[in-house]
Amino acid sequence: DAGVTQSPTHLIKTRGQHVTLRCSPISGHKSVSWYQQVLGQGPQFIFQYYEKEERGRGNFPDRFSARQFPNYSSELNVNALLLGDSALYLCASSRAGPEQYFGPGTRLTVT
Amino acid sequence: QQQVKQSPQSLIVQKGGISIINCAYENTAFDYFPWYQQFPGKGPALLIAIRPDVSEKKEGRFTISFNKSAKQFSLHIMDSQPGDSATYFCAAKNSGGSNYKLTFGKGTLLTVNP
Repeated sequence: DAGVTQSPTHLIKTRGQHVTLRCSPISGHKSVSWYQQVLGQGPQFIFQYYEKEERGRGNFPDRFSARQFPNYSSELNVNALLLGDSALYLCASSRAGPEQYFGPGTRLTVT
Repeated sequence: QQQVKQSPQSLIVQKGGISIINCAYENTAFDYFPWYQQFPGKGPALLIAIRPDVSEKKEGRFTISFNKSAKQFSLHIMDSQPGDSATYFCAAKNSGGSNYKLTFGKGTLLTVNP
């Protein structure tokens, strides 16, 4: 079975721009979560969606938003990018329990 | 507020030795405790996980020991190999509902020397 896929792999943006990151969960998984991982730190929870509904939101500003589509894929949007948004953005999918399987991530660099 | 404290930050072990990484938590509502392994440039991979009603779980060379009263859990890697060199993260999930938010420790960089 294919694992979690994320696109793009790498992205370079300028401060103030907007970015959209995409995630496709493992087939049969209905929950998608997004995490931000700054270099040298553990992942920080941003959002969780289950059956297209938001089930959790982490301590991130309103510039961060997400949605889940009928096919369970998901998008993470970040507006008005700041230098501090530079990080590895990880998507994780779950079937119906707490076991979460992460994708390879999208490396975002804001200049 | 760091809810999951992980130690040590880095660890060097000889091939064939035992690697031990420790985590402590504060929130007694946590009910699921996974360990992840992350190689440079990759996403974290789920290694092994435990629930608080069990004191130990073993999968191959990896063992989780869990002490509910002390609010501590640890990962033991037996017969450590150079291929185990990676960053390891402990994590914890709150009980209840379908909110799967994981709170991660800061990670331990493990180096296994040949």
